[in-house]
Amino acid sequence: DIVMTQSPDSLAVSLGERATINCKSSQSVLYSSNNKNYLAWYQQKPGQPPKLLIYWASTRESGVPDRFSGSGSGTDFTLTISSLQAEDVAVYYCQQYYSTPSFTFGPGTKVDI
Amino acid sequence: EVQLLESGGGLVQPGGSLRLSCAAYGFSFSTYAMSWVRQAPGKGLEWVSAITYSGGSTYYSDSVKGRFTISRDNSKNTLYLQMNSLRAEDTAVYYCAKAKGQGVMGGDYWGQGTLVTVSS
Repeated sequence: DIVMTQSPDSLAVSLGERATINCKSSQSVLYSSNNKNYLAWYQQKPGQPPKLLIYWASTRESGVPDRFSGSGSGTDFTLTISSLQAEDVAVYYCQQYYSTPSFTFGPGTKVDI
Repeated sequence: EVQLLESGGGLVQPGGSLRLSCAAYGFSFSTYAMSWVRQAPGKGLEWVSAITYSGGSTYYSDSVKGRFTISRDNSKNTLYLQMNSLRAEDTAVYYCAKAKGQGVMGGDYWGQGTLVTVSS
């Protein structure tokens, strides 16, 4: 199975500043036949289910503010919040959907003000 | 409006069984893959199982393989998770999620979750 790791475990960012979260997969999640990275990012606030932010590593889900962006390819990925807002306080998870039978999540990164 | 409503959680003794249901509304259920994801108290997300749109293929994490069975009834717009031989470490909130589709297995809609507690 592909193992996902995230760094840092947590970070505190001032309002309006940039937050950067890293995600690494134990093997490439880039499918060569379509040149797509099978990687998603989610946001989870306390007491709520996860919310899909990004898929294909860099495609923003409909309705997600453009301050959220995803980048990277192969095994190394980044989620960037360009200007942190109070409502962005949450735990962020990456997930690979490249490798059946297991679509593993990273351990999560907690973002605080 | 897309809605996913989980039910069937509760308290069960170690070694017992439980069946979770996820009723789907507001989308063409039979055309999307579905997943179960769980979250132990205070912990991160753990992918549990997935099923293709037709039910023809199913996938499981190593931690539940051989004990859990995912299934769906497209005529009832309902997803199921049969959980047998439950262990304390299966205690978690269980979410069902609709795959976004077009090759994206990530969930674009999630239920609110149902709590399963395995304890004597």
